[in-house]
Amino acid sequence: DQQVKQNSPSLSVQEGRISILNCDYTNSMFDYFLWYKKYPAEGPTFLISISSIKDKNEDGRFTVFLNKSAKHLSLHIVPSQPGDSAVYFCAAGGANFGNEKLTFGTGTRLTIIP
Amino acid sequence: GAGVSQSPRYKVAKRGQDVALRCDPISGHVSLFWYQQALGQGPEFLTYFQNEAQLDKSGLPSDRFFAERPEGSVSTLKIQRTQQEDSAVYLCASSLAGQVYAGNTIYFGEGSWLTVV
Repeated sequence: DQQVKQNSPSLSVQEGRISILNCDYTNSMFDYFLWYKKYPAEGPTFLISISSIKDKNEDGRFTVFLNKSAKHLSLHIVPSQPGDSAVYFCAAGGANFGNEKLTFGTGTRLTIIP
Repeated sequence: GAGVSQSPRYKVAKRGQDVALRCDPISGHVSLFWYQQALGQGPEFLTYFQNEAQLDKSGLPSDRFFAERPEGSVSTLKIQRTQQEDSAVYLCASSLAGQVYAGNTIYFGEGSWLTVV
């Protein structure tokens, strides 16, 4: 039972354009969401997060949008840069999960084309 | 250290062999987590420590998996009688506060890549 889903295994975007990565979840008990970025042979690196009481959080080139009614969140990267090429994981957690357990999606490999 | 350190980085084990994977969290971090990441999948939660107390081990796949953090800093994940399905990257993570929430960042190590042959 995949509670956090990233349905696009890969995405290619031209440098300078907007990258949009999507994530869907099934469990309405999640109350915070995070995005992690992972380069090959490295551990995931925290990128940005959002609490369920918000619908948008912005940090520089990165913005996360949360649509609770649709159980959907997205990560926007603008403008996209070659260094953004990596695998992006969406993750979810909450008080109902002991506040220590994150559930991850399967990841989306983003390739930025120069 | 500056980040979460894991050793060994790579381990090849024969089926049936016992392995031990070590994690050095960021100094002062209260929380420590172990995750397992199979090829092509996202990380999956194994267990969680707050200081030396193992508060959640619900993700450990079988009783062959055992984790400890006796002094509240370094942790060891032990897998007994390894099987091929144990082949995965084992990620350790730590965070400053006792619980995870949107503003409390979890820092991951580079992982220990285990291959069981």
